Amino acid sequence: ELKVEQNPLFLSMQEGKNYTIYCNYSTTSDRLYWYRQDPGKSLESLFVLLSNGAVKQEGRLMASLDTKARLSTLHITAAVHDLSATYFCAVDSSGAGSYQLTFGKGTKLSVIP
Amino acid sequence: EPEVTQTPSHQVTQMGQEVILRCVPISNHLYFYWYRQILGQKVEFLVSFYNNEISEKSEIFDDQFSVERPDGSNFTLKIRSTKLEDSAMYFCASMGQDPYEQYFGPGTRLTVT
Repeated sequence: ELKVEQNPLFLSMQEGKNYTIYCNYSTTSDRLYWYRQDPGKSLESLFVLLSNGAVKQEGRLMASLDTKARLSTLHITAAVHDLSATYFCAVDSSGAGSYQLTFGKGTKLSVIP
Repeated sequence: EPEVTQTPSHQVTQMGQEVILRCVPISNHLYFYWYRQILGQKVEFLVSFYNNEISEKSEIFDDQFSVERPDGSNFTLKIRSTKLEDSAMYFCASMGQDPYEQYFGPGTRLTVT
């Protein structure tokens, strides 16, 4: 059974600081996704990482994937309050072409002035 | 921009009643999913649907659950006899091909009393 572990689960950081969220998963997968969720809202796709060594950046967020280490990171640069949300990583767990996702527990990020 | 829509946004029902949650996926997508999220917890996969049949289902998706794509546009999740523990946010998602990115609807909050 695929396990997806994120850490930290809670993160309080000051505006302007940098931090990294980690996502480890237990079995081989070539597809990893990062989603953002605001309270009471749906999941917004941030990044799709499809191969080993993939790195994608959007604004203050950068995601990377190391399939050999089964590790993805989401790096936050110079945090601003608008980044406060819960961030989920998710791994394609199907193995049979149905592409369903197994999610981590999420990292609740609070950016404080 | 195309989006996944879901109705209703909130459904309150009594234990033992049947509910149908409706989704309209993005029109040229081929893969369809239901996930659920109990308040404050992670997102859990329920079922995937491709080529007019279920392709994968989780342990949560027992005989009380069923899915249908009755008319080529709607995608429904039926719970035959709701239980208190079915209270959750239910998300529909759809996916095209390449880059195999899942787009989530806004969700239906189901409250079973």
